Amino acid sequence: QVQLQESGPGLVKASETLSLTCTVSGGSISTYYWSWIRQPPGKGLEWIGYIYYTGSTKYNPSLKSRVIISGDTSKKEFSLKLSSVTAADTAVYYCASLSGNSYGLDYWGQGTLVTVSS
Amino acid sequence: QSALTQPASVSGSPGQSITISCIGTSSDVGNYDYVSWYQQHPGKAPRLMIYEVTNRPSGVSNRFSGSKSGNTASLTISGLQAEDEADYYCSSFTSDRALVVFGGGTTLTVL
Repeated sequence: QVQLQESGPGLVKASETLSLTCTVSGGSISTYYWSWIRQPPGKGLEWIGYIYYTGSTKYNPSLKSRVIISGDTSKKEFSLKLSSVTAADTAVYYCASLSGNSYGLDYWGQGTLVTVSS
Repeated sequence: QSALTQPASVSGSPGQSITISCIGTSSDVGNYDYVSWYQQHPGKAPRLMIYEVTNRPSGVSNRFSGSKSGNTASLTISGLQAEDEADYYCSSFTSDRALVVFGGGTTLTVL
């Protein structure tokens, strides 16, 4: 059973960089595409991107210019950096495991709310 | 505007069946059997309910079923129970530059 846990600051100032880390336990780091998804308050889900254990990444084109997803396989962690944040980036950020076979997000972290302040 | 189109809300009485639609295009739903459905209760993370259009992960009730016709995928919940009241999201693989796209979500109310 894979378990994921997000960690990072809950408050970020506008124009700065949002940084979050997801720690993976109970599963093989090479099995999934490790993904970030966000959900603004009261709104729907938005896929941000993923990193594979090989280091390859793919990002949502709408965020690509501001996003970097990196990973540390030895620590079973992967991270999200989103630069030049605005109030529109206020959301619950989830890390999740994307199956490369089914493209379903099998396991999710509990989510962490990040608020962008002016 | 979400890439996949879902109704904003549906409702049904306990014991009844409801269906939630998810309309995509030939770049996603229409050409790939990689449609998933997620259930999300308030304040909780989404939970995978259906993958590859029709498959249920272990532990998901067989009251939940999925199907697809053309560019439209559907989630059917039979024998509605109070615990089914939640938001439901569809997603699909897409051949566009984004890998995964979501629907806007549907709120299910059990009357």
